[in-house]
Amino acid sequence: QVQLVESGGGLVKPGGSLRLSCAASGFTFSDYYMSWIRQAPGKGLEWVSYISSSGSTIYYADSVKGRFTISRDNAKNSLYLQMNSLRAEDTAVYYCARGVTIFGVVTSDWFDPWGQGTLVTVSS
Amino acid sequence: DIQMTQSPSSLSASVGDRVTITCRASQSISSYLNWYQQKPGKAPKLLIYAASSLQSGVPSRFSGSGSGTDFTLTISSLQPEDFATYYCQQSYSTPRVTFGPGTKVDIK
Repeated sequence: QVQLVESGGGLVKPGGSLRLSCAASGFTFSDYYMSWIRQAPGKGLEWVSYISSSGSTIYYADSVKGRFTISRDNAKNSLYLQMNSLRAEDTAVYYCARGVTIFGVVTSDWFDPWGQGTLVTVSS
Repeated sequence: DIQMTQSPSSLSASVGDRVTITCRASQSISSYLNWYQQKPGKAPKLLIYAASSLQSGVPSRFSGSGSGTDFTLTISSLQPEDFATYYCQQSYSTPRVTFGPGTKVDIK
């Protein structure tokens, strides 16, 4: 079945780095764009970053631009998020999500599925 | 950025109740609106896409409507497994999407 599994979260000190991974299975990974979305404890959902199916187009939320780097390896069916200069406000569960687009009279996008999430805690 | 608001922020309801959640966008987003359900400790799950299309496998008691700036998620008869937090998400500005703050549905 279609599945996304994140890994790499943990406790890191402010200013530190962490690399998250997302392993995809059950679908042709190279056909889909992917995004990272985070959720601070007890808070709502915040889009973090986007990468196109080929990896040629990338976007970041202003809150992480210049500190985070998204990448993918289509041969390994894997998505990554390199997080540098981490701050306390980056503490969150990080989800990877597959972007689905349908083209028709109206083109629509949504996220399905989402991984189970990996917790990143930034604290001294 | 397109801002999304939801009302109410929380509600208490009983099994069998009809529940309506409203989502409003800060500008017109046509029908580029999705709804997700999130249970504690779990990832969000897609319920409705393109404002009114039911995702495969989602019970028919869930429905969505609206276009432009105002949208509604309706649960026709609340079931015990429906107690969760619901989020709307605009995809008009993909890839820079935004989510509503969520509506928590709990047991009265």
